Amino acid sequence: AQSVTQLGSHVSVSEGALVLLRCNYSSSVPPYLFWYVQYPNQGLQLLLKYTTGATLVKGINGFEAEFKKSETSFHLTKPSAHMSDAAEYFCAVSAASSGSARQLTFGSGTQLTVLP
Amino acid sequence: GAGVSQTPSNKVTEKGKYVELRCDPISGHTALYWYRQSLGQGPEFLIYFQGTGAADDSGLPNDRFFAVRPEGSVSTLKIQRTERGDSAVYLCASRLGQLTDTQYFGPGTRLTVL
Repeated sequence: AQSVTQLGSHVSVSEGALVLLRCNYSSSVPPYLFWYVQYPNQGLQLLLKYTTGATLVKGINGFEAEFKKSETSFHLTKPSAHMSDAAEYFCAVSAASSGSARQLTFGSGTQLTVLP
Repeated sequence: GAGVSQTPSNKVTEKGKYVELRCDPISGHTALYWYRQSLGQGPEFLIYFQGTGAADDSGLPNDRFFAVRPEGSVSTLKIQRTERGDSAVYLCASRLGQLTDTQYFGPGTRLTVL
């Protein structure tokens, strides 16, 4: 069984400030981890993913995340927020096994507001 | 290239009616998923197809929900005797194959049951 907890359903930052969105996961098997972004009335867009290898992964739009197995965390960061980053962000986990369905289990999301 | 498309974008129906939601995956993608996203929540898994067969339907909430993918491409999610609690955004995603890991999502169908 897998689960994802996103701490903070709403996060506000000033433009130019650090963005930190928290994600903790639980998985009984080795996980793949993902961050997706959802803009209003649009589908989910992949920001970045961790599968194997380097634990610090870089994604689109200047975002990055670090897989910390000991902390079961996969927090999303961006050094300097832009107004265009305002959106809802979802952390998700799937099983790494190629024989499984690899369906995604999502957190409940974090709404990011960027203040001018 | 074209992404995942879903039709209709919005569907309003009355309680008790039957609805069909369509998903066109990315060409060549063998894996297809349906998820349901209720207001203020993350998407929840419904069903997974590998090719034509439903390989995992453990997320379907009850027997009013059914999905097909007869030719291994387009999929239809069917909901019988709709209830107000079925109101949500239904998302479709596709993945290239068993050795890949990224799911690509469509824009969703917003279903409203009055």
